Amino acid sequence: DAGVIQSPRHEVTEMGQEVTLRCKPISGHDYLFWYRQTMMRGLELLIYFNNNVPIDDSGMPEDRFSAKMPNASFSTLKIQPSEPRDSAVYFCASSPGGGRYEQYFGPGTRLTVT
Amino acid sequence: GENVEQHPSTLSVQEGDSAVIKCTYSDSASNYFPWYKQELGKRPQLIIDIRSNVGEKKDQRIAVTLNKTAKHFSLHITETQPEDSAVYFCAARSGTNAGKSTFGDGTTLTVKP
Repeated sequence: DAGVIQSPRHEVTEMGQEVTLRCKPISGHDYLFWYRQTMMRGLELLIYFNNNVPIDDSGMPEDRFSAKMPNASFSTLKIQPSEPRDSAVYFCASSPGGGRYEQYFGPGTRLTVT
Repeated sequence: GENVEQHPSTLSVQEGDSAVIKCTYSDSASNYFPWYKQELGKRPQLIIDIRSNVGEKKDQRIAVTLNKTAKHFSLHITETQPEDSAVYFCAARSGTNAGKSTFGDGTTLTVKP
């Protein structure tokens, strides 16, 4: 199993640009999570999906953030327009469901907004 | 919503000593309590977990205990080794908001050789 795959691994962009982060969960997993990690705020849950349906997006900081999961094997997190305070490591994680709750994290995308 | 507090924020021990990290949670409906280890520059990885119907679980040098009445759970690492140095996160999964887990702020463990 390849595990959770994220791309790109690193992204450097200028303020105001659109940023799209991508995630491929582990095949067969029912849940997908997007987290943001910074030194100041720790590991924050942004949004999670169950069977491709967004369940809780209360952690999405602003309308500039949006997430989609068009099918069971792909999700995106988009920031438009990006700001320097969005600089962080963004992790995607998936979880099997069906009574199994452990989360498997991807390698993360390090986003730098200048 | 769920609130998870983790202590201490930093912990330094000598190699071979034991380390204990504690977490408290607020939602009595939480039913799953994992611990993740994150090495510098790496992703968080599950090291052990416990469900609300179990009081203790062990896996070699690592153990987790759960006190549902007091709403706290702890990670115990015995015979610590330098490779145990990392940030450790606890989490609590809500039994009401299915699927959502709230993470603690993390504990930076340093094991001195």
